[in-house]
Amino acid sequence: GESVGLHLPTLSVQEGDNSIINCAYSNSASDYFIWYKQESGKGPQFIIDIRSNMDKRQGQRVTVLLNKTVKHLSLQIAATQPGDSAVYFCAEATDSWGKLQFGAGTQVVVTP
Amino acid sequence: NAGVTQTPKFQVLKTGQSMTLQCAQDMNHEYMSWYRQDPGMGLRLIHYSVGAGITDQGEVPNGYNVSRSTTEDFPLRLLSAAPSQTSVYFCASSYKGKGSPLHFGNGTRLTVT
Repeated sequence: GESVGLHLPTLSVQEGDNSIINCAYSNSASDYFIWYKQESGKGPQFIIDIRSNMDKRQGQRVTVLLNKTVKHLSLQIAATQPGDSAVYFCAEATDSWGKLQFGAGTQVVVTP
Repeated sequence: NAGVTQTPKFQVLKTGQSMTLQCAQDMNHEYMSWYRQDPGMGLRLIHYSVGAGITDQGEVPNGYNVSRSTTEDFPLRLLSAAPSQTSVYFCASSYKGKGSPLHFGNGTRLTVT
């Protein structure tokens, strides 16, 4: 079946630098995408979402970019902080009730 | 609001035992779902519900049952536990499904020996 995947399993980032986490999706029918952050021992926490009628959406220190031509999604974190160390998941929804299909996740490690 | 509350946090079962994982939300969300998370894998959907009295299967439903008698509660039942069901289970809810993000509980870590 079609799936959501991530290019890099681990991303090491120096504190203060910008982080970019990438995600490829293969289902062209997907029209809603979400990024989640998961800290150790906790449930995934919503970061930001984007609909397929948008190319870019910004939140606090985060920006999600959607390129439907190449089926690519990215999450940019500005001025990465130690508290940003976590696993980040992208997810896509393809039906009216939003059953999410998740990627495997990227571990972000922020180094001092 | 407490959000999504899952109990217990940890559970150890022997093969063949049954148990119920509890999930409750106080946000008046219509949509609730159960996911399992295994090492190196993303979350996989087990069952979901779009409202009280309505449930449906997700990607990996075998060995699990659900019911939705109230808007607030969505328990997950393991009928006869197997080692392959060792996992972390997350319950999630959202206001109306797509277009409204899922809110997750903090999970139940289940070990089946």
